[in-house]
Amino acid sequence: ETGVTQSPTHLIKTRGQQVTLRCSSQSGHNTVSWYQQALGQGPQFIFQYYREEENGRGNFPPRFSGLQFPNYSSELNVNALELDDSALYLCASSQRTGTSEAFFGQGTRLTVV
Amino acid sequence: EDQVTQSPEALRLQEGESSSLNCSYTVSGLRGLFWYRQDPGKGPEFLFTLYSAGEEKEKERLKATLTKKESFLHITAPKPEDSATYLCAVGAGNMLTFGGGTRLMVKP
Repeated sequence: ETGVTQSPTHLIKTRGQQVTLRCSSQSGHNTVSWYQQALGQGPQFIFQYYREEENGRGNFPPRFSGLQFPNYSSELNVNALELDDSALYLCASSQRTGTSEAFFGQGTRLTVV
Repeated sequence: EDQVTQSPEALRLQEGESSSLNCSYTVSGLRGLFWYRQDPGKGPEFLFTLYSAGEEKEKERLKATLTKKESFLHITAPKPEDSATYLCAVGAGNMLTFGGGTRLMVKP
């Protein structure tokens, strides 16, 4: 059984650029959620995808967008990067929607300079 | 608005010194209380889910309990390898709301 994998592990971008982060969900899981974790804080919910549709969104602006593919993998896209977007971005997969047990990847550390 | 508060923010223990971490929450429509362990620079590792008041779960030196307003993570005779940040989250709707975490350091 493969776990949740994210790529890349680290990324440095310039303010104003766009970034795409990728996530492969755990085998047998059809739901993917994305979280942003600033240094020293708990993760914050960005959005969830189920059957290739957005299925809930947190308090993040529209420049944060996502996709889910037929194989349940997912992308997080962030446009017009700001310095405050620097954080650890976490992907979590689960067997169903709602808040069944979610398993996290190792995260992507994004630094905006 | 759902809210989760964890205390203390940081905790230093000697190896073998048992203690408890607290997670207080307010949520409309609780769909689970989750505990995770997070090592520096890594993603959270799932530990427990609790669904109803009075429920308890154990794993090695860890035991999680749940009441209607709070959850405790009890650590019995901790070892240095238990050092990590412990995150509590409540499930409501399709999202998890996390607390700020408790940074645990266990010294040999």
